[in-house]
Amino acid sequence: VQLQESGPGVVKPSQTLSLTCTLSGGTITSVTYYWSWVRQPAGQGLEWIGHISGTGRINYNPSLESRVTISGDTSKRHFSLKLTSVTAADTAVYYCVRGNYVLGRGAFDVWGQGAMVTVSS
Amino acid sequence: EIVLTQSPGTLSLSPGDRATLSCRASQSLTSGFLAWYQQKPGQSPRLLIYGASSRATGIPDRFSGSGSGTDFTLTISRLEPEDFAVYYCQQYDNSVKTFGQGTKVEIK
Repeated sequence: VQLQESGPGVVKPSQTLSLTCTLSGGTITSVTYYWSWVRQPAGQGLEWIGHISGTGRINYNPSLESRVTISGDTSKRHFSLKLTSVTAADTAVYYCVRGNYVLGRGAFDVWGQGAMVTVSS
Repeated sequence: EIVLTQSPGTLSLSPGDRATLSCRASQSLTSGFLAWYQQKPGQSPRLLIYGASSRATGIPDRFSGSGSGTDFTLTISRLEPEDFAVYYCQQYDNSVKTFGQGTKVEIK
């Protein structure tokens, strides 16, 4: 499977960041995998945002939980991220990632190429 | 939330050297679900090690992982030019996943 992020590259402060991840090969309903979002500000480390499992179970990073929504598309080939009330601190490369339960409790074995999102007026 | 602390922040070594990277967890990873990733500039991270010591598909055997509980190590037995990169550990032991802050392996 390959993953591809898409969405606006620039979002205004206080607005909502929306990204979609499209799967080429496979569906998000497989119980073998779960589907995450991870972000990385320029020159900084990786931050897990949250994930949706093949059964629809969702978990969020507690530090972002009040602003984040992750959902799966009925087509089963997309999942999405919404982050509300963005500020400059949300400027980052956003990756969609597959967690693989075959690798223990799900190491991240497939990564998208990343989508740069800048929060700016 | 489990906090992962990686050391050192930067490792300056020469090709052919042995690299030893450390990752310490704030609480025990009882199931040993710790992974290591490599990231090169402008690229997405790549899974190297999962379950603390299992190499991912296609990863050369010069990469090895060890450890349990709260202390984990990534060892690169002999550095190749393509191994100079940033390495992150990650715990996926519970529903809230966390990463370490990274160790940069640079050419001395």
